[in-house]
Amino acid sequence: DADVTQTPRNRITKTGKRIMLECSQTKGHDRMYWYRQDPGLGLRLIYYSFDVKDINKGEISDGYSVSRQAQAKFSLSLESAIPNQTALYFCATSDPNRGGGYTFGSGTRLTVV
Amino acid sequence: ILNVEQSPQSLHVQEGDSTNFTCSFPSSNFYALHWYRWETAKSPEALFVMTLNGDEKKKGRISATLNTKEGYSYLYIKGSQPEDSATYLCAFRTGGYQKVTFGTGTKLQVIP
Repeated sequence: DADVTQTPRNRITKTGKRIMLECSQTKGHDRMYWYRQDPGLGLRLIYYSFDVKDINKGEISDGYSVSRQAQAKFSLSLESAIPNQTALYFCATSDPNRGGGYTFGSGTRLTVV
Repeated sequence: ILNVEQSPQSLHVQEGDSTNFTCSFPSSNFYALHWYRWETAKSPEALFVMTLNGDEKKKGRISATLNTKEGYSYLYIKGSQPEDSATYLCAFRTGGYQKVTFGTGTKLQVIP
């Protein structure tokens, strides 16, 4: 099994719909992140969580919300999807005691039509 | 906004050629520099985490160097193979609040 699992892998949804992307990890890391990737842009941070009770906005949090249900689970919601949220979304974990390098999930390709 | 730049944006090399790319980052408040390899349809995988000025890391034919005083890191691939074709990302992590900023990557294609 993958260390970081994202579901779904691909999703097409309509404008205005609510959608949740799920992430679970078996690394035992406290730190979890949601990033989005758009062509020509670097990975951009949406939200991050340093433990179950700690949730922080990243640089592009508008239109998104998150829930840290447990150490191993961190979900991302789009309350009312819009077409410019079409992107590739990655969940990641990190261990700050080892330089903080990320372990990424396999990504969710989301298309909002 | 922290500026992390990678060059070149893309690169085509012949199989067997050696190549290198650059990651430039702010020289202040440095904590770590990460390199990732990202193959098409897969997720980025960590290659190196570099924390000390002058660090050199090696994994097989791939190596990296770090200069935190001048704010750059080089990634080298010796004797490129088609399986090295991927996008290579660097990420700069600051101290304290530990913000991470990714570059846009160098896309390498190795032609057999």
